[in-house]
Amino acid sequence: DAGVIQSPRHEVTEMGQEVTLRCKPISGHDYLFWYRQTMMRGLELLIYFNNNVPIDDSGMPEDRFSAKMPNASFSTLKIQPSEPRDSAVYFCASSPRWSNEQFFGPGTRLTVL
Amino acid sequence: GDSVTQMEGPVTLSEEAFLTINCTYTATGYPSLFWYVQYPGEGLQLLLKATKADDKGSNKGFEATYRKETTSFHLEKGSVQVSDSAVYFCAPSYTGTASKLTFGTGTRLQVTL
Repeated sequence: DAGVIQSPRHEVTEMGQEVTLRCKPISGHDYLFWYRQTMMRGLELLIYFNNNVPIDDSGMPEDRFSAKMPNASFSTLKIQPSEPRDSAVYFCASSPRWSNEQFFGPGTRLTVL
Repeated sequence: GDSVTQMEGPVTLSEEAFLTINCTYTATGYPSLFWYVQYPGEGLQLLLKATKADDKGSNKGFEATYRKETTSFHLEKGSVQVSDSAVYFCAPSYTGTASKLTFGTGTRLQVTL
């Protein structure tokens, strides 16, 4: 199995631009998670899905952030408009329904100038 | 609410030294307990886990025992190597939260020759 795939691996953009991060979970996994990691705040859960349905989005920082999961093999996290304080590493993880173990992707390092 | 407390880092050790990283969790139900490791520039990966009281998880020379009486899951290794330098995260998963993990702040380990 290829594991969780994220793209792009690095993104540099200017303040005000729209940013879209992509994730392909492991085939057969029912849960998908989006996290943000910064030095100041550590690892934060932004949102998670079960069978493509958002279950808990209480970690989404504000309305500029949105996430979708149109099918079982694809999810996006969008920031519009982006701000310098959004600079972080964003991780996607997936989990099968029979285990609480999460499998992480390599992350997308976002820099907003 | 559900929470986990890890010892603060960074922890700096010489190669072959003994390692302990403390982790305690709030006793809400009977969570499964995980240790994840994050090597530089990578995503998190599962190191070991324990699903019930007195279980011992082990992997790559690391061990942790599920201590219900002290609500702890301390990570230990008898002889660390330079390649163990990474950030270690303790993460309980509470009943009723599906696959959701509550991550600690992470403890950075630096092993020197």
